[in-house]
Amino acid sequence: SAVISQKPSRDICQRGTSLTIQCQVDSQVTMMFWYRQQPGQSLTLIATANQGSEATYESGFVIDKFPISRPNLTFSTLTVSNMSPEDSSIYLCSVVKGGDTEAFFGQGTRLTVV
Amino acid sequence: GDSVTQMEGPVTLSEEAFLTINCTYTATGYPSLFWYVQYPGEGLQLLLKATKADDKGSNKGFEATYRKETTSFHLEKGSVQVSDSAVYFCALFRTGNQFYFGTGTSLTVIP
Repeated sequence: SAVISQKPSRDICQRGTSLTIQCQVDSQVTMMFWYRQQPGQSLTLIATANQGSEATYESGFVIDKFPISRPNLTFSTLTVSNMSPEDSSIYLCSVVKGGDTEAFFGQGTRLTVV
Repeated sequence: GDSVTQMEGPVTLSEEAFLTINCTYTATGYPSLFWYVQYPGEGLQLLLKATKADDKGSNKGFEATYRKETTSFHLEKGSVQVSDSAVYFCALFRTGNQFYFGTGTSLTVIP
């Protein structure tokens, strides 16, 4: 299994500012993902965080808006830049361990932009 | 591409009723299939999984069977409890790829 600590758990931010969300895993993992879950909606994959290289972004998401870092196999950050109210959502970190097929999720970060 | 189609909600049941949430998938190759549950204010937790055809995943009284012939992975429980109230997500995963989630089905169980 994998235990994920995601911080902050929630925040209220002013439009035009940026927020960095941290994801710390208790063991080395192969794959790390960042998702967005808008109210009452399913999960939308933002990007795959690649260790030591640039993240792989899904259609509709760009690095300038959602820069991601992954300096090692246990840690990643997602920044939501130049926020607007439309960015209000839950952001989830997820990991998959090598040789496993189960995804583990952090508790999520509930972001409200005012 | 890969995708998951899940029964629309919300679903409201009385305690001890039988639950079925339908899930069908489209995928190349042989994906693993999952049901995740999200309780209010929490992240997703794995409920059960099946990694190959005809496998049955089970946990906490919930069951789902990987049916390759019908590309389905329907979730069932014989007698739901109030504590089962949550949002349920069907998902698939192929090694080296990403997870694909259904839209989620909200279940409310009333006493």
